Amino acid sequence: GEDVEQSLFLSVREGDSSVINCTYTDSSSTYLYWYKQEPGAGLQLLTYIFSNMDMKQDQRLTVLLNKKDKHLSLRIADTQTGDSAIYFCAETSTGGFKTIFGAGTRLFVKA
Amino acid sequence: EAGVAQSPRYKIIEKRQSVAFWCNPISGHATLYWYQQILGQGPKLLIQFQNNGVVDDSQLPKDRFSAERLKGVDSTLKIQPAKLEDSAVYLCASSLDTGGGNEKLFFGSGTQLSVL
Repeated sequence: GEDVEQSLFLSVREGDSSVINCTYTDSSSTYLYWYKQEPGAGLQLLTYIFSNMDMKQDQRLTVLLNKKDKHLSLRIADTQTGDSAIYFCAETSTGGFKTIFGAGTRLFVKA
Repeated sequence: EAGVAQSPRYKIIEKRQSVAFWCNPISGHATLYWYQQILGQGPKLLIQFQNNGVVDDSQLPKDRFSAERLKGVDSTLKIQPAKLEDSAVYLCASSLDTGGGNEKLFFGSGTQLSVL
């Protein structure tokens, strides 16, 4: 079945870049997403990429997709303490009927 | 624009009791989802509605969980009887259902359930 995997923790210093990685198994994935979850809150969509794209940039966020290796990454430039949260990778297969989430990467930003 | 509303925010019950959660999606969103998020894990889809029809309930433990979406708007999720392993955050989400496969989910703040 479909599976999405992420590393569990990442720690960076304020001002550095953060890179969060994700791998997925479903070759029919059409859209891939990054969601952010702050303590006590629901998930918030940060950005997404269509599977025929290699890269998408949105202000401090850069998404890279390697479809051959089924690898997705999220780069956050100039990481701030407010970026501390859990980041979830997710994918939707053809038809968009089901969104599968990874376990989340907890980002710690040290001042 | 109002977001996805969920209640209650927290619930503590004893095992074998029943509990119900309520969700009001964003106005105009055809698709509504209930996810279960166990501590340290990603959200797991329990049930997905499109309007008031069920699209996917393959991971819903139907012997104890039930859900309905009245008139294609609000939804309730019920657990009866609850087990210790049901302790989790129950997240409701909605999406516009553009039909193009890009379903951007909008989440509520969730209901944190503790079963003692």
